[in-house]
Amino acid sequence: GAGVSQTPSNKVTEKGKYVELRCDPISGHTALYWYRQSLGQGPEFLIYFQGTGAADDSGLPNDRFFAVRPEGSVSTLKIQRTERGDSAVYLCASSSWGGLNTGELFFGEGSRLTVL
Amino acid sequence: KQEVTQIPAALSVPEGENLVLNCSFTDSAIYNLQWFRQDPGKGLTSLLLIQSSQREQTSGRLNASLDKSSGRSTLYIAASQPGDSATYLCAVGNQAGTALIFGKGTTLSVSS
Repeated sequence: GAGVSQTPSNKVTEKGKYVELRCDPISGHTALYWYRQSLGQGPEFLIYFQGTGAADDSGLPNDRFFAVRPEGSVSTLKIQRTERGDSAVYLCASSSWGGLNTGELFFGEGSRLTVL
Repeated sequence: KQEVTQIPAALSVPEGENLVLNCSFTDSAIYNLQWFRQDPGKGLTSLLLIQSSQREQTSGRLNASLDKSSGRSTLYIAASQPGDSATYLCAVGNQAGTALIFGKGTTLSVSS
């Protein structure tokens, strides 16, 4: 596609529910990143994929958060047993090179998650 | 642990002014530095990317500089316009080279 696509754009759920957020990166981009942004804050790194594998998942806050990228393209961020503190905008970005040494990141518009 | 600080947090200027946004980082061993723009309720748009071996980059009215030794970058905006109103975010590559670490941003308002 022309840009990074994220769905849904908005998601409202109840505490304790399971949520999936999807990211479709720019075609051909091998690197994919998930970030979380709370109001008034900069984006916070969650996980980085190089191809199908998670090269760095050090930003995932706890084991309720999990992400996959089975075919090296679309990625899904999965949140189990959601808590009110998970409410944020979840941003996805992709890059044409592996890693940050030469890659410029292109961001999607984000998925706004609200946990009631 | 890399930390990124942006000053000021907010800035209001009249149209036509030249302005400078500041970014500082604690670990000089960065991979690159990138400046982004974010409009309310939107994603991030990349403005300028400075490789670790470079000292500056220019795009139109924007100029970004990088001084790794002092842990600082500046974004210079010439002849500001109301359309420049947005939040500007600075981000540096983490020590592992696997992610960008962001500051909290500077919210710019340019009045006509």
